[in-house]
Amino acid sequence: GENVEQHPSTLSVQEGDSAVIKCTYSDSASNYFPWYKQELGKRPQLIIDIRSNVGEKKDQRIAVTLNKTAKHFSLHITETQPEDSAVYFCAAPEGGSSNTGKLIFGQGTTLQVKP
Amino acid sequence: DTGVSQDPRHKITKRGQNVTFRCDPISEHNRLYWYRQTLGQGPEFLTYFQNEAQLEKSRLLSDRFSAERPKGSFSTLEIQRTEQGDSAMYLCASSLYPTGGGNEQFFGPGTRLTVL
Repeated sequence: GENVEQHPSTLSVQEGDSAVIKCTYSDSASNYFPWYKQELGKRPQLIIDIRSNVGEKKDQRIAVTLNKTAKHFSLHITETQPEDSAVYFCAAPEGGSSNTGKLIFGQGTTLQVKP
Repeated sequence: DTGVSQDPRHKITKRGQNVTFRCDPISEHNRLYWYRQTLGQGPEFLTYFQNEAQLEKSRLLSDRFSAERPKGSFSTLEIQRTEQGDSAMYLCASSLYPTGGGNEQFFGPGTRLTVL
């Protein structure tokens, strides 16, 4: 089955700096990769996702890149702000296809943005 | 609020008791998922439905756990004879399938279960 590894487990940056979180996956058939942000005591919130037919997707200060050959995808946050502080999770579909519905999540990265 | 809702938000129970949680998905979403999340970990898949059909259950899911979605709308998750190891956040998510490539899942606020 799919295995998702996420690094680093914690990340501390100064406000205004960039933050990068990386995930690797094991199933080369995987075709959908979402990122979730979870603030303390709140629900995971889908912030961006990417399909395997593109290499990069951007939405304002966040972007996700995908390297299918190396089987890894990364979340990039530019011009970080204190409100970006949260736990971020990557995920990939079990069985490779987004059709299965079952997401396998990484272990999470706690991002702290220092003002 | 048209997002995913869950009830109750918190549940404290004694070991051995049965508990039931409810999830109301986004109204037009045909898929509904249950996940469990423990402190410091990512959500762990439990089971999911497409309309009223339960399509998959995690092999990690004990037979003390059962889920239903009788009319293809809301779902319930029941845990019988609760154990302390069942203490966790139980998250529900929903999605509209097919979506043309992805399977965006939107989460509810969760039910935090504490088993004493």
